[in-house]
Amino acid sequence: GAVVSQHPSWVICKSGTSVKIECRSLDFQATTMFWYRQFPKQSLMLMATSNEGSKATYEQGVEKDKFLINHASLTLSTLTVTSAHPEDSSFYICSARVGLAGLYNEQFFGPGTRLTVL
Amino acid sequence: AQSVTQLGSHVSVSEGALVLLRCNYSSSVPPYLFWYVQYPNQGLQLLLKYTTGATLVKGINGFEAEFKKSETSFHLTKPSAHMSDAAEYFCAVSERGNNRLAFGKGNQVVVIP
Repeated sequence: GAVVSQHPSWVICKSGTSVKIECRSLDFQATTMFWYRQFPKQSLMLMATSNEGSKATYEQGVEKDKFLINHASLTLSTLTVTSAHPEDSSFYICSARVGLAGLYNEQFFGPGTRLTVL
Repeated sequence: AQSVTQLGSHVSVSEGALVLLRCNYSSSVPPYLFWYVQYPNQGLQLLLKYTTGATLVKGINGFEAEFKKSETSFHLTKPSAHMSDAAEYFCAVSERGNNRLAFGKGNQVVVIP
């Protein structure tokens, strides 16, 4: 199956700093990428949907100025957590899909990035 | 909007016994349905999916699930649990014409030797 990578796999940062997480589709071109957040022992919550070359669509309650998403190419999307605080500590997972909206196209998930803000 | 209900956050099963994880969904249009497995500190791996056609779907690692429209259910089963089946399992739904996946809260499966 298609492979999606994330970098870094884990990161520890100080409160107030910004952290960038990369999501790459390694062997396919992803027209759409998704960013999820997962708190310990909980389910995945969709944060935003990003289409290559256009602005991301954020879910209700997700601060777009805090979680900056860039999808500059068909193989790379980045999530930047700006001015991170301890409550932003979480497991961030991306997924990527190829194909047209309205048709079934599987999402392929990355391995996740564990963010810890001190 | 679509949603998924998974009851029982923790499920204990003896090695060799039947694994049954229940999933009920809500969707205003015919859904796509998925089961994913997650091992600690890893991303999600697709176990199986229902899109169209046969309502009994077979997946990897001996798992299968049956789409029952009348019951709005998509329960996951495996006849004989193995120690390697210990993981978190998520049911998810996506509406046709909508890329977004909605996940259930997950079931943590513990396999007892």
